[in-house]
Amino acid sequence: DAKTTQPNSMESNEEEPVHLPCNHSTISGTDYIHWYRQLPSQGPEYVIHGLTSNVNNRMASLAIAEDRKSSTLILHRATLRDAAVYYCILLGGGSNYKLTFGKGTLLTVNP
Amino acid sequence: EAGVAQSPRYKIIEKRQSVAFWCNPISGHATLYWYQQILGQGPKLLIQFQNNGVVDDSQLPKDRFSAERLKGVDSTLKIQPAKLEDSAVYLCASSPRVGEAFFGQGTRLTVV
Repeated sequence: DAKTTQPNSMESNEEEPVHLPCNHSTISGTDYIHWYRQLPSQGPEYVIHGLTSNVNNRMASLAIAEDRKSSTLILHRATLRDAAVYYCILLGGGSNYKLTFGKGTLLTVNP
Repeated sequence: EAGVAQSPRYKIIEKRQSVAFWCNPISGHATLYWYQQILGQGPKLLIQFQNNGVVDDSQLPKDRFSAERLKGVDSTLKIQPAKLEDSAVYLCASSPRVGEAFFGQGTRLTVV
């Protein structure tokens, strides 16, 4: 299965942008890049996904490198409610279409 | 739209006892997942259903865990007998399409 590598933890200040990186050097051509986040004591929630082009939605933006070996989840203005564990997941033929979570990045947002 | 419902929210049992968790997915979602999340780790997929058929159960400890999804809607996950290492949060999720899963709040199981 294609794997992802994320930093264990990151810190940000409230109202500042946050860039959460993810490396996936063994991504296959049919794998989509998905991001989920898990707030304290909650189940994970879908954030965004993309294949090749950058994507935007109301929660975040996803920037995908041209070679697709890395991606960055961008929170444009972090709030205290964005403090969570963020998971980068590859989903597609290379991952057998299984939604497999790693350890993720614990984001701390300072007031 | 109603979310994924799970019950109970919390359960404490003694080792070697049995326990069952229930999940009601979002209406119309064909795919249903059960995950186990041990404290400090990411969720681990136990079983994936497509309607009422099993798509993947490669990480389900079949000697003690079982799951079923009757009529392609509700699902139950059972552990019998429970071990101390089964203490975890058990998450159910449903999905209308590949990649976009909606999770319930989970059942926190403590085995003593």
